[in-house]
Amino acid sequence: DAKTTQPTSMDCAEGRAANLPCNHSTISGNEYVYWYRQIHSQGPQYIIHGLKNNETNEMASLIITEDRKSSTLILPHATLRDTAVYYCIVRATSNTGNQFYFGTGTSLTVIP
Amino acid sequence: SAVISQKPSRDICQRGTSLTIQCQVDSQVTMMFWYRQQPGQSLTLIATANQGSEATYESGFVIDKFPISRPNLTFSTLTVSNMSPEDSSIYLCSVKGQGTDTQYFGPGTRLTVL
Repeated sequence: DAKTTQPTSMDCAEGRAANLPCNHSTISGNEYVYWYRQIHSQGPQYIIHGLKNNETNEMASLIITEDRKSSTLILPHATLRDTAVYYCIVRATSNTGNQFYFGTGTSLTVIP
Repeated sequence: SAVISQKPSRDICQRGTSLTIQCQVDSQVTMMFWYRQQPGQSLTLIATANQGSEATYESGFVIDKFPISRPNLTFSTLTVSNMSPEDSSIYLCSVKGQGTDTQYFGPGTRLTVL
């Protein structure tokens, strides 16, 4: 699976959009981009994933560049409860394996 | 998404003892995994729990130290054997259901070894 690079930490003002970048320049054509977050002392929580097109759900939006070498997770109106470590993971789908390998993630702090 | 529970949620153990962590899912899943998260670190995959056969371990993890069972499609255990303070971590169970590539995680078991 391709490697990802994320900033170590970011701050965001409460109520503003949080834009979390992820670089995955070695991504292959069959690899998806997944985002998870981990609030302190809890298990990681699935947020969103995508292949080529931009995706949106009730939690966030995922913007993938046309060359697929980078992506951005957008939390449209950040709240204090969004303070967490956000992990960007690139992984191919297959019938075997399928386990996720986590990088160091971005520690997002939402400031009142 | 699957609902995953782990027991115990936390424990404090003495050096040299063993602890078995249970993972229960509310629906049948195809894949179950065990991860470790050491203090201040990211998640590291320990092994894939295979139903009816031996678990598949990642590099650096061995069956004698982390024996795993998976007797059916909804349950798995991870044992941390002959514990030392270096084993103090959060241990997380993760599952993948049929027809999806998304993984879901349990709440974790926080282990402290004295």
